[in-house]
Parts: sequence; structure tokens; C-alpha cells
Amino acid sequence: KQEVTQIPAALSVPEGENLVLNCSFTDSAIYNLQWFRQDPGKGLTSLLLIQSSQREQTSGRLNASLDKSSGRSTLYIAASQPGDSATYLCAVSSIFNQAGTALIFGKGTTLSVSS
Amino acid sequence: NAGVTQTPKFQVLKTGQSMTLQCAQDMNHNSMYWYRQDPGMGLRLIYYSASEGTTDKGEVPNGYNVSRLNKREFSLRLESAAPSQTSVYFCASSDKRRERLGEQFFGPGTRLTVL
Repeated sequence: KQEVTQIPAALSVPEGENLVLNCSFTDSAIYNLQWFRQDPGKGLTSLLLIQSSQREQTSGRLNASLDKSSGRSTLYIAASQPGDSATYLCAVSSIFNQAGTALIFGKGTTLSVSS
Repeated sequence: NAGVTQTPKFQVLKTGQSMTLQCAQDMNHNSMYWYRQDPGMGLRLIYYSASEGTTDKGEVPNGYNVSRLNKREFSLRLESAAPSQTSVYFCASSDKRRERLGEQFFGPGTRLTVL
């Protein structure tokens, strides 16, 4: 059974710091890995999606890497800002019975960036 | 193009009451999903529908029933609500191509409290 773990559960940093969020998964048979952002009381916003054949994806100050063989991904946030404060969820896409695929989520890392 | 819509946004029930959460998408997607998110947890799959007329159980289906009314709509029913079902419920949809890529579109969520 696929399990996704995110470390740390919470992180507080001052504005301007570069930081890394970690995600690990137990079964390397994934189609892709996705990072989401969730603001308090809100829905999910997809940040980056890395296909299983890719090593990394970048969007602005965000960079996500994927090492499928070791079951790890990192989300790097450069020059953090207070507006980056949110919960970041990692999810892997795995086969779900024979009907399709499903996303398996980690519990998230709650980031707080102080000004 | 509204994407994925969910009603209601908020609901408070008493133990034993029943209710139906509604979800609709206007993207002509075949696949639809129901997830629940508990405090400090990632999302967990309740039920999945690969197409109209088909449904499959996910990780946490107990206490729920679903109905794929047509291609647009996928409803989640609680027949006898329990406090353990207090959660935020997210609906998502995807088409076959995007499903393989792991790309799902999420609704804004329904916040349900069972007293």
C-alpha cells in the first residue's frame, strides 16, 4: 500500500530564507508526483507536477525534484515571503484497482514565514 | 467555465441525520472523486467513479454511499451521520488523459460538522 510521508510537519522561518520541504513515498511505481498549496479554510492549488520520467520542475521561486528510485521528492522555496505561509501537500499518482489512478496524499507541511 | 462546484459550502448535522453532498463539473471529465480531509491530515479517497454508472470504493468508504447521476454530477450521501464524519469533503474530476498524468481538478470543499 502506497504511503506518503512529509517532513517536517511544521516549519517557521524569517522572510528571505531559502527552505526545503521533504516528501517520501513507499512504492516507486508512481505515474507522477504533485505539490499542492492549501491556505487555511480553502481548497487545493496545484503548484508543480513532476512526471515519473522527469527529475525536476520549476515555477518562479519554486523548484521540485523527484528521485523515484529512492522514493523522495523535495520542494525548494527560494527567498521566502510571508505570502508563502500555507500548508504544502505532496501527492503521488498511483494505479487504483484496474479502473484508473488515484492521488495518495501526505499529511502536509505547515509553513509560516514571518516578516 | 465554473470547473468543479460543490454544495453546500458549510453544513452542521446532528448525529443520525442524513444528507447528500453535491458535486458537479462542467469540463466533460469522465472520472470523479470524493476525498475527505481531517485536521492535520492529507486527503483520503472515499469513492471514485471512472465513468457514468460506475463507482469504486477508496481508502475510507465506510458510512458513505455515492451516486454518479450523469457525467456531470457525483453525489456523496451520509445515511446516518456520526461525529467521526466531521471533516472537509473535496470533490475532484479528471479526464482519461489527465488522469494518467495525475492531474485532478478540485472543488472548494464542503465543511461538515456532526454534533
